[in-house]
Amino acid sequence: SQQGEEDPQALSIQEGENATMNCSYKTSINNLQWYRQNSGRGLVHLILIRSNEREKHSGRLRVTLDTSKKSSSLLITASRAADTASYFCATELTGGGNKLTFGTGTQLKVEL
Amino acid sequence: EAEVAQSPRYKITEKSQAVAFWCDPISGHATLYWYRQILGQGPELLVQFQDESVVDDSQLPKDRFSAERLKGVDSTLKIQPAELGDSAMYLCASGRDRSYNEQFFGPGTRLTVL
Repeated sequence: SQQGEEDPQALSIQEGENATMNCSYKTSINNLQWYRQNSGRGLVHLILIRSNEREKHSGRLRVTLDTSKKSSSLLITASRAADTASYFCATELTGGGNKLTFGTGTQLKVEL
Repeated sequence: EAEVAQSPRYKITEKSQAVAFWCDPISGHATLYWYRQILGQGPELLVQFQDESVVDDSQLPKDRFSAERLKGVDSTLKIQPAELGDSAMYLCASGRDRSYNEQFFGPGTRLTVL
């Protein structure tokens, strides 16, 4: 079963614009991770935020976590055509032993 | 840069046949995961290994699926017999150990059952 729900399901923007995608989850977590998947390929880890953190940055990525609302957001600034991919949030549940539960994903298309 | 290897990349089989997928994790990684990803959805964990031991196989349909990691290195996932609903991408991932959270994914095996 999918723990996370992502919003929007699909997003189309112009190169240079910012892209924001959201993830909501249901139960208590140790951490939340974001992964990128290019069409028909494996997933690539982007960033991890722990349950006691509220915001984290990595290059053009900014992740926030609100455990009271059980939600997270991923912001990609100054998007590029190469950012076109599906983005998934994944939660490691409290007591889950490294098991990741993935969301449904957001398909991002960045147009030139 | 070390990568997770999977083979085959694509597999087409007929219903009721047996299929097997192979995964070679990054050298030294103790944890290994098999996921199934249906088109348009996120990956779902089938089985998790710590070295050669199964840690979690609660979502593995054990009547037809089996997985092994005999020497705690590479792993095989088998389906017998395959059903139409098994058509999906099968992803393997590895991690350094259970205290390190990031998972490294292979390119996947795309299975089509006719």
